[in-house]
Amino acid sequence: DGGITQSPKYLFRKEGQNVTLSCEQNLNHDAMYWYRQDPGQGLRLIYYSQIVNDFQKGDIAEGYSVSREKKESFPLTVTSAQKNPTAFYLCAGSPTAATNEKLFFGSGTQLSVL
Amino acid sequence: SQQGEEDPQALSIQEGENATMNCSYKTSINNLQWYRQNSGRGLVHLILIRSNEREKHSGRLRVTLDTSKKSSSLLITASRAADTASYFCATEGGSYIPTFGRGTSLIVHP
Repeated sequence: DGGITQSPKYLFRKEGQNVTLSCEQNLNHDAMYWYRQDPGQGLRLIYYSQIVNDFQKGDIAEGYSVSREKKESFPLTVTSAQKNPTAFYLCAGSPTAATNEKLFFGSGTQLSVL
Repeated sequence: SQQGEEDPQALSIQEGENATMNCSYKTSINNLQWYRQNSGRGLVHLILIRSNEREKHSGRLRVTLDTSKKSSSLLITASRAADTASYFCATEGGSYIPTFGRGTSLIVHP
């Protein structure tokens, strides 16, 4: 069973706590992305990575951090600096960091604040 | 960053009817993509239309692109209850990264 795998499906964060959302892929994709989805809003780009050991800030990177130590893995950490973290988080990949590529999405992680 | 805006925000139809959703954007694009999202799930790519194309078909889906009006439409013919989902357009312009609109929520009543 291949694709983009996100875990956990549901995650709860306490005040002042950092939490990490997992994203793993076995599609051999070079590019990976993290989006945040709030009700009634579109997807907003948090971070993206074109290649291993490289990543760039998206439109709403404040309060988040990522790493790309392996091609298969692109974890997202929601830090305590993110004051409104409750949202649905989506990880995606594309074969290359080039135009006209479609994105393949994971099934998402719902993060809520306790 | 540029963003497609879908219209209507919500659409409710009967099974067998056609569903039309529109997307408008502001600046020139390389391509426009449509995605589908079932509730609580990830997005699934439906179709990509390039800026030099005017129409594409995939099964019951028909997508048009009018670059002079900066708009696109997605038509789902003979809709089914299983088509109930949110539909998003995503535009790719200066960078290779698609920018998503807020989506159209489609409900198809059996």
